[in-house]
Amino acid sequence: QVQLQESGPGLVKPSQTLSLTCSVSGGSINRPDHYWSWIRQPPGKGLEWIGYVYYSGNTFYKPSLRSRLSISIDTSKNQFSLKLNSVTAADTAVYYCARGDSDVYLSFDNWGQGTLVTVSS
Amino acid sequence: DIELTQSPSSLSASVGDRVTVTCRASQNIGSHLNWYQQKSGKAPNLLIYGASILQGGVPSRFAGSGSGTDFTLTISSLQPEDFATYYCQHSYTTPPWAFGQGTKVDIQ
Repeated sequence: QVQLQESGPGLVKPSQTLSLTCSVSGGSINRPDHYWSWIRQPPGKGLEWIGYVYYSGNTFYKPSLRSRLSISIDTSKNQFSLKLNSVTAADTAVYYCARGDSDVYLSFDNWGQGTLVTVSS
Repeated sequence: DIELTQSPSSLSASVGDRVTVTCRASQNIGSHLNWYQQKSGKAPNLLIYGASILQGGVPSRFAGSGSGTDFTLTISSLQPEDFATYYCQHSYTTPPWAFGQGTKVDIQ
């Protein structure tokens, strides 16, 4: 059973860069049938898909975040990462990493437990 | 970008009730519609993918239907553990892959 685990600072100052890593265990990240995504959820609000990275390193970002967002993959460490720069309070959210699987209509069939990131001075 | 509109945003129901949640897409997405359950403080859990295919381990009281732009999640007999928030999400061709705004199911 694949497991995903987010890690990174829980508090980031405004205008700085939010950095998170998702470590994947129980399966290889280096597979063509999976799309490794980041999804966030502001407190008390709904889910927002923000981007994915493919095993090849190809990425796709939500257009409204494209100018601030970078997602990368390290197949040697079986992990992928998110960097969001110039953060504001609006970026405060629980950040989830998740696996999209092309065998199940690209649905997100495995999720990390989520990590709360607060943007505050 | 494709947008998803869920209704209702919340509902109150009793154990044993039949519950229906709808999700409408802003354009034709075929069967590329997935449903998730999220309990408070937890990550979402995949219930149904491809509009109507039950994920392994999900109870058969959950069912999905629809295609094109209109989709439905039905819980045939609501159980105490089903009180949660439900989200639809599309995975049609090119991202961004949006979620609906969610439907909270609570106890009447």
